[in-house]
Amino acid sequence: DSGVTQTPKHLITATGQRVTLRCSPRSGDLSVYWYQQSLDQGLQFLIQYYNGEERAKGNILERFSAQQFPDLHSELNLSSLELGDSALYFCASSPQPSSGNTIYFGEGSWLTVV
Amino acid sequence: AQSVTQLGSHVSVSEGALVLLRCNYSSSVPPYLFWYVQYPNQGLQLLLKYTSAATLVKGINGFEAEFKKSETSFHLTKPSAHMSDAAEYFCAVSEGYGGATNKLIFGTGTLLAVQP
Repeated sequence: DSGVTQTPKHLITATGQRVTLRCSPRSGDLSVYWYQQSLDQGLQFLIQYYNGEERAKGNILERFSAQQFPDLHSELNLSSLELGDSALYFCASSPQPSSGNTIYFGEGSWLTVV
Repeated sequence: AQSVTQLGSHVSVSEGALVLLRCNYSSSVPPYLFWYVQYPNQGLQLLLKYTSAATLVKGINGFEAEFKKSETSFHLTKPSAHMSDAAEYFCAVSEGYGGATNKLIFGTGTLLAVQP
């Protein structure tokens, strides 16, 4: 158990819909990351937050948005869902945002778009 | 830009045999390098990381990796495979010392099968 908690674990939704994935980082970790894992794209970095502020942005679509709240939990919002958005979405956390810090991953949220 | 290449999407070894999973990196700045393992239906777990302290890095479960700058490689090895090592292994790179972000760029993964 990494200490990173993600909900829901599984989600099935229809195209065009909007979903929210929630993440609680490890106790004391200030930085949160979101990754997408799919068969065709592999593991892709989406976005990083540190203490409520966006720190780095990766291959995140405009239909997707994220935020980190004052209590440090984070949400990833996915809208206008397409079949290709079906993937495993990981949240991860680390104590600090700088390179070299060990990143701890949650078990992921499986999203299926039908 | 940084990237990693994992040679061999599938590797099969016999129990007790040497495990060698290959990773080559590309980075315009001195990198930090990581190996993660993913067991079925689980998240990613850190096996080991190189952050320039020592070129030979020892990790959990008997794994180790050696950073070779001249070969831009960070191959993962284990002297004797165990059935419980069957999983998918990911190599990743991030900016080295002084990097303001901790963005990991992952390779495509190597699925390790261990035969009895």
